[in-house]
Amino acid sequence: SQQGEEDPQALSIQEGENATMNCSYKTSINNLQWYRQNSGRGLVHLILIRSNEREKHSGRLRVTLDTSKKSSSLLITASRAADTASYFCATDVIGQNFVFGPGTRLSVLP
Amino acid sequence: AAGVIQSPRHLIKEKRETATLKCYPIPRHDTVYWYQQGPGQDPQFLISFYEKMQSDKGSIPDRFSAQQFSDYHSELNMSSLELGDSALYFCASSLGRTMGTQYFGPGTRLLVL
Repeated sequence: SQQGEEDPQALSIQEGENATMNCSYKTSINNLQWYRQNSGRGLVHLILIRSNEREKHSGRLRVTLDTSKKSSSLLITASRAADTASYFCATDVIGQNFVFGPGTRLSVLP
Repeated sequence: AAGVIQSPRHLIKEKRETATLKCYPIPRHDTVYWYQQGPGQDPQFLISFYEKMQSDKGSIPDRFSAQQFSDYHSELNMSSLELGDSALYFCASSLGRTMGTQYFGPGTRLLVL
């Protein structure tokens, strides 16, 4: 299986609920980044968390990183219909380049 | 603020033709990355350049080549196109090779018929 695997692969929630997406990876990383992609469009950077950080916040986003478990989570609080998109984690792997996971397709229903 | 610019935004080619995709990074960014994203798939890293030199190589087919020019823009040249090359091609730029946020362009959608 590949570096940077997100789960769940698809998530459907009601507006106002929280959405949690997880990402696991296999090798040592410099940092981990979360990106958002609206259907067929460019990837938009959301948040970067370095390997020596454990938690980071940005607005309604909260990212955690557990290097011992090689996993990260992205929490979107008080979700909105406009949050509907695919969310990818990307690992900046030491000695390699960016590796993207398969993404979580989030649907926020009004 | 200026973003990454890619051209063309859409391209239709026949099998065995060639295509050239262009990427203009954010001003002062010195690193450019190319990714390929097939339908319903995650982006796959193809190749990157730092200060006009190739810095990393991913799953780029031998039929493809790329370079970064003195003004830091980059071009991805694709020859002998195959149906399977139909995808969204993203360029990203960053300041520095490592530890930096990559900022993505809107992508070029290539359709090979």
